[in-house]
Amino acid sequence: SQQGEEDPQALSIQEGENATMNCSYKTSINNLQWYRQNSGRGLVHLILIRSNEREKHSGRLRVTLDTSKKSSSLLITASRAADTASYFCATAKTNAGNNRKLIWGLGTSLAVNP
Amino acid sequence: DGGITQSPKYLFRKEGQNVTLSCEQNLNHDAMYWYRQDPGQGLRLIYYSQIVNDFQKGDIAEGYSVSREKKESFPLTVTSAQKNPTAFYLCASSMAQGRDTQYFGPGTRLTVL
Repeated sequence: SQQGEEDPQALSIQEGENATMNCSYKTSINNLQWYRQNSGRGLVHLILIRSNEREKHSGRLRVTLDTSKKSSSLLITASRAADTASYFCATAKTNAGNNRKLIWGLGTSLAVNP
Repeated sequence: DGGITQSPKYLFRKEGQNVTLSCEQNLNHDAMYWYRQDPGQGLRLIYYSQIVNDFQKGDIAEGYSVSREKKESFPLTVTSAQKNPTAFYLCASSMAQGRDTQYFGPGTRLTVL
């Protein structure tokens, strides 16, 4: 079952603009991760934020986590055509015992137009 | 050069045939995973393995089988019992099972003719 839900499902912006996508989840988590997938390729890990962290940066990426609202956002600043991809969030639940695995969202498809 | 590889990249199968997808990693990771991805969809977990000679069913294991005889290898067999096998299959690995960052292979696109 999918815990993460990204929105919007699709986003189209112009090069140079910022892109924001959101992820909501249902249960308590240990961490939340964001991945990128270029068309027809495997996923690439972007950033991991732990439940006791509120914000994390990596280059042009900024991730926030609000555990009270059970939501996270991924901001890509000064977007480039090469950022065109699908972006997925994945959550690792707390207290999962031996059933620890990542729960994946359905993804946001981002198109950056030159 | 460390990484995770999948082969073949494209695979065609006739209905009623079993087919095996290869996944190899040289990252010295204990945990490995198989996912299925359908067009415009997220990832669905087929099987995962925490350690050699051990594996567990994921959310959609019916019609699939796996083995984990070596730490580096986690092949997936798509059997004739899988009703709708045409999909993009992704293999991943992580240091330990569960919460860690997962590293993905390039995927195998399986088409049933």
